[in-house]
Amino acid sequence: QKEVEQNSGPLSVPEGAIASLNCTYSDRGSQSFFWYRQYSGKSPELIMFIYSNGDKEDGRFTAQLNKASQYVSLLIRDSQPSDSATYLCAVTGNQFYFGTGTSLTVIP
Amino acid sequence: GAVVSQHPSWVICKSGTSVKIECRSLDFQATTMFWYRQFPKQSLMLMATSNEGSKATYEQGVEKDKFLINHASLTLSTLTVTSAHPEDSSFYICSARDGQLLQETQYFGPGTRLLVL
Repeated sequence: QKEVEQNSGPLSVPEGAIASLNCTYSDRGSQSFFWYRQYSGKSPELIMFIYSNGDKEDGRFTAQLNKASQYVSLLIRDSQPSDSATYLCAVTGNQFYFGTGTSLTVIP
Repeated sequence: GAVVSQHPSWVICKSGTSVKIECRSLDFQATTMFWYRQFPKQSLMLMATSNEGSKATYEQGVEKDKFLINHASLTLSTLTVTSAHPEDSSFYICSARDGQLLQETQYFGPGTRLLVL
């Protein structure tokens, strides 16, 4: 079992809709959870991180963490074509583990 | 804040030559730096983890004699691809972790695209 699992997609949503990206992890001792965005041909950039159960909002982005169920999600409200990218989930436990990413396409 | 630079951004070289890539944390001290490789349409692959002043820890399958990593200061790590071959052509990305922050966020450099002819 991989440390961090993401649905590779591709996920397509219409412009203005909510995009929901999910990530599960295997290490119950994981402490920190991160979402990165990677545009094609570019390096990943940090969107947000979350430590505590519940929701954390930053602009159009909301990270949700449920440690009991071992999942973390990212919601993107009012999706824009510029949000089209691969979204990487990362989790720290004994090491820093990345998921393989979910490809998101926002259709104008 | 939390800016990581890489140099060069593009390298084209002949087979058999060595290529050095620099990774710098510009506004923080990076106690740990990471080197990744990414082939087209594939996910990030961690190559090695380097801590300032100590030897790098390489992931399984990564040749330490081919990919030399030096983390001589808290703001600089270098990756040298020795005797590069066409199969080493890839996108090399470094990241750095701020040693003074409680969280373990990794900040990525812009990447270096290597093409070996």
